[in-house]
Amino acid sequence: DQQVKQNSPSLSVQEGRISILNCDYTNSMFDYFLWYKKYPAEGPTFLISISSIKDKNEDGRFTVFLNKSAKHLSLHIVPSQPGDSAVYFCAAGRVDTDKLIFGTGTRLQVFP
Amino acid sequence: GAGVSQSPSNKVTEKGKDVELRCDPISGHTALYWYRQRLGQGLEFLIYFQGNSAPDKSGLPSDRFSAERTGESVSTLTIQRTQQEDSAVYLCASSPGPLAGELFFGEGSRLTVL
Repeated sequence: DQQVKQNSPSLSVQEGRISILNCDYTNSMFDYFLWYKKYPAEGPTFLISISSIKDKNEDGRFTVFLNKSAKHLSLHIVPSQPGDSAVYFCAAGRVDTDKLIFGTGTRLQVFP
Repeated sequence: GAGVSQSPSNKVTEKGKDVELRCDPISGHTALYWYRQRLGQGLEFLIYFQGNSAPDKSGLPSDRFSAERTGESVSTLTIQRTQQEDSAVYLCASSPGPLAGELFFGEGSRLTVL
């Protein structure tokens, strides 16, 4: 039972354009969501988060949108840079369990 | 060190052998997690420790897997009688406490079972 799904295994975007990474979840009890970025041979690093009381959170070039009714969140990166090339994981959790469930990841490639 | 430290970084073992993977969390972090990532897969939750509470073992795939943590320090993940499907990168993460949200990951231990 995959509670957090990232249906696009890969995405290729030109430098300067917008990258949009999508994530769907099935458990309506999730109340906070995070995005992590992973480079090869490194552990994932935290990028941005959003709680269920918000529908948008912005941090520089990164914005996360949450649509609770659709159980969908997305990460927007604009403008995309070659250094953004990595695997992006979305994760969801419940405040009362403190356990994060991760998606399968989307590999983003930003080309010049 | 400042970050989460894991050892060994790489381990190759024969099927049927036991392995131990070690995680040294960030000092002061009370929560510690183990995840694994098999080739082409996402991060699979294994076990979660929070302070002196009973660990959440709901992600352990079989009774060949076990983990211990001494207080709020080092954790050891043990896999007995390893199988080829145990081959994966085992990631440890820590966080400052419950409800903290953000996890800080180590670089992982890559296990290859021949």
